[in-house]
Amino acid sequence: RKEVEQDPGPFNVPEGATVAFNCTYSNSASQSFFWYRQDCRKEPKLLMSVYSSGNEDGRFTAQLNRASQYISLLIRDSKLSDSATYLCVVNKDYGGSQGNLIFGKGTKLSVKP
Amino acid sequence: NAGVMQNPRHLVRRRGQEARLRCSPMKGHSHVYWYRQLPEEGLKFMVYLQKENIIDESGMPKERFSAEFPKEGPSILRIQQVVRGDSAAYFCASSSGKTQYFGPGTRLLVL
Repeated sequence: RKEVEQDPGPFNVPEGATVAFNCTYSNSASQSFFWYRQDCRKEPKLLMSVYSSGNEDGRFTAQLNRASQYISLLIRDSKLSDSATYLCVVNKDYGGSQGNLIFGKGTKLSVKP
Repeated sequence: NAGVMQNPRHLVRRRGQEARLRCSPMKGHSHVYWYRQLPEEGLKFMVYLQKENIIDESGMPKERFSAEFPKEGPSILRIQQVVRGDSAAYFCASSSGKTQYFGPGTRLLVL
């Protein structure tokens, strides 16, 4: 089983749509979780951290289910500029410092006019 | 505050040559990470360094690859005797604790 698994997509949605991405991870000892965004041929950029209680940042909502080892990202009111690859990322903690990140292969989103 | 800097941005090497990739972390960051992204693949961790120390090199290939982060100067990822399979984007990230910030990457092409 892969350490972090995501549906590769692509997800093709119209502007204004709501889209949800899911991710599962295999290591139950993982401590930190993130969604990164990567535009074509660019570096990954942190979109948001994911907390057990769930968290929201504008149109983006992230959820974590530790029991199921499942992470989700919901994007509401999609914009053209949301088109990118969304990376589910899990952290291998080193007693407080971040340690190395385990990346999923990403889910590609294409928002159409 | 300048972000993470990597150079060169693009590097072309012939098989058997050496490749040196440089990474300057963000100001105040003492943790540096190197990741590799093969075409159509996700990022894979290679090595985690702090000043003058390798903390975790579990993702580094056993041969030809080495990394350092000296007391002064940038972190260096060195690939000796490159092969075509080394062609990839190499990203460096730095942090001061929790969040890792990525540089723009070096795209290595081995002919």
